[in-house]
Amino acid sequence: DIVMTQSPLSLTVTPGEPASISCRSSQNLLHSNGYKYLDWYLQKPGQSPQILISLGSNRASGVPDRFSGSGSGTDFTLKISRVEAEDVGIYYCMQALQTPITFGQGTRLEIK
Amino acid sequence: EVQLVESGGDLVKPGGSLRLSCAASGFTFINAWMSWVRQAPGKGLEWIGRIKSKTDGETTDYAAPVKGRFTISRDDSKNTLYLQMNSLKIEDTAVYYCSTILGLPRGYWGQGTLVTVSS
Repeated sequence: DIVMTQSPLSLTVTPGEPASISCRSSQNLLHSNGYKYLDWYLQKPGQSPQILISLGSNRASGVPDRFSGSGSGTDFTLKISRVEAEDVGIYYCMQALQTPITFGQGTRLEIK
Repeated sequence: EVQLVESGGDLVKPGGSLRLSCAASGFTFINAWMSWVRQAPGKGLEWIGRIKSKTDGETTDYAAPVKGRFTISRDDSKNTLYLQMNSLKIEDTAVYYCSTILGLPRGYWGQGTLVTVSS
């Protein structure tokens, strides 16, 4: 199974400041088709997860452009350029390269 | 608008069975690869399994903790996904989500349905 490791596990950020979450996979997530099978999700308090970034760096429809995804191989990063109050919640990375699909442990983002 | 609506969650005794349903709308269900994901109270996300589209063989794959006990199926005529859960254990207690985390449309989740396994 591919193990996904996120860091940090919690983050407290002042509104307007940037934030960054790292996700490492135990195997290369680059498919032979050229796509990186790494997605990012945000689960806001009391809600279902919502997709932020697919295939490493593709921002999902309706996601603010302050969110960006980057990385390759086994190292990926989610960046929030300027954190807003509505960004609180738990962020998960997920590999979709092979089954079993696996998620990171989650990173809890709180506002200072 | 894509919608996924789960139902069927309940309180069940260890060893019991339950069937969850997920009604899909707003996209071409027949072409979609569908997954079930669960979240135990206060814990992270755990993929349970997925079913491919009929065109891709309608094959299923499961996570080790549920293999042999859970079965995913679909009825494309009703745009509905199912999760049959047998031999339930206390550790199966969780909110169960159906989702389109694989394929297209990518990344949609239902609101979840709570399954509690307790004596």
